[in-house]
Amino acid sequence: AQRVTQPEKLLSVFKGAPVELKCNYSYSGSPELFWYVQYSRQRLQLLLRHISRESIKGFTADLNKGETSFHLKKPFAQEEDSAMYYCALSGLETSGSRLTFGEGTQLTVNP
Amino acid sequence: NAGVMQNPRHLVRRRGQEARLRCSPMKGHSHVYWYRQLPEEGLKFMVYLQKENIIDESGMPKERFSAEFPKEGPSILRIQQVVRGDSAAYFCASSLLPGQQETQYFGPGTRLLVL
Repeated sequence: AQRVTQPEKLLSVFKGAPVELKCNYSYSGSPELFWYVQYSRQRLQLLLRHISRESIKGFTADLNKGETSFHLKKPFAQEEDSAMYYCALSGLETSGSRLTFGEGTQLTVNP
Repeated sequence: NAGVMQNPRHLVRRRGQEARLRCSPMKGHSHVYWYRQLPEEGLKFMVYLQKENIIDESGMPKERFSAEFPKEGPSILRIQQVVRGDSAAYFCASSLLPGQQETQYFGPGTRLLVL
């Protein structure tokens, strides 16, 4: 079974402060991890994926297999980063690439 | 490319009625996924379809729910005899190819309210 846990439902930081959104997973195989973001009144969109090892909008995430974590980080938060963030996992299934989502973290960046 | 389209965006049904939710994948995509988001919860996988085939329906409730993706036209998620517990946001996603590393592109969702 695969499971994704985002321990914080709400996270509030001030503009310019560092931010870390936590994500832990359980999966017996080799997972693919993703971060999706949903801005107010917009659809869910991919922010980044661990296999790309890229930085999007200043966000990075490193897959730590030892700690089974994929925390999302940004050194200096901006007000426009306020959104709902979902961590998701895709296992090596024989039937495509269904995603298992965490419950999400609502990030608010205050001025 | 207009992206994944879903309609209607909002749907109100009374208990016992049928709900039909439509999803048009991105152009060229033949893999469709349906997810349900209950209030205060994350998205939960329901079903994965390719054109004319259901590949994985392990997340679909056994009764009242069905899905199809015909050769022509959108994918449809049908809920028969709706109950209040079916009230949720239903999201459709599509991908170009199957596979663990493929990006899924999401639609705006259909918010179903059962009175």
